[in-house]
Amino acid sequence: KNEVEQSPQNLTAQEGEFITINCSYSVGISALHWLQQHPGGGIVSLFMLSSGKKKHGRLIATINIQEKHSSLHITASHPRDSAVYICAVRWERSNFGNEKLTFGTGTRLTIIP
Amino acid sequence: DAGITQSPRHKVTETGTPVTLRCHQTENHRYMYWYRQDPGHGLRLIHYSYGVKDTDKGEVSDGYSVSRSKTEDFLLTLESATSSQTSVYFCAISEFPRRLYGYTFGSGTRLTVV
Repeated sequence: KNEVEQSPQNLTAQEGEFITINCSYSVGISALHWLQQHPGGGIVSLFMLSSGKKKHGRLIATINIQEKHSSLHITASHPRDSAVYICAVRWERSNFGNEKLTFGTGTRLTIIP
Repeated sequence: DAGITQSPRHKVTETGTPVTLRCHQTENHRYMYWYRQDPGHGLRLIHYSYGVKDTDKGEVSDGYSVSRSKTEDFLLTLESATSSQTSVYFCAISEFPRRLYGYTFGSGTRLTVV
């Protein structure tokens, strides 16, 4: 069964701490997405990656294809980073007629001032 | 993002009534998706569309139907709402080739079936 697992489920940290959220998946993928969902409920796409590393401001996403693992890092965390972070993958064997993302259940991050 | 809007944002309806949720995009993207989000589950695909009048089922399609008569609009209909369909519904859009385009999500519709 194609699965996506995130850890930890919940994470509380002090402002300024370095944050790491992990995502593991079961079989080959063509792309992995990191999404952010704020308490208001809207979902924002942060990164899409299929290899290596991407950086945007204080956010860094890495992926290790061989180990089937991705991490999302936040440097100098701030209370406004408090949100649910969701990993989603598109499986390698997805084709035009079988479009599907599989989502993790999310990591709830709380940054305390 | 203004490129995708969902309506209504909130709805309370009675068991057995039909309900239609609307997703409207201004990006002219080919692909549109309806997901539901429930506690303890990742987002799950209900139906998706890969063009006008071209739709297909997702993993939790029972009790739902969709229509796409125009590129910009994707409608999700609960034919006879049940309490198990109480959920938050998200629409998303994407374009081809997907190695270049990610997904853009709407703000969600919170549906309560009483």
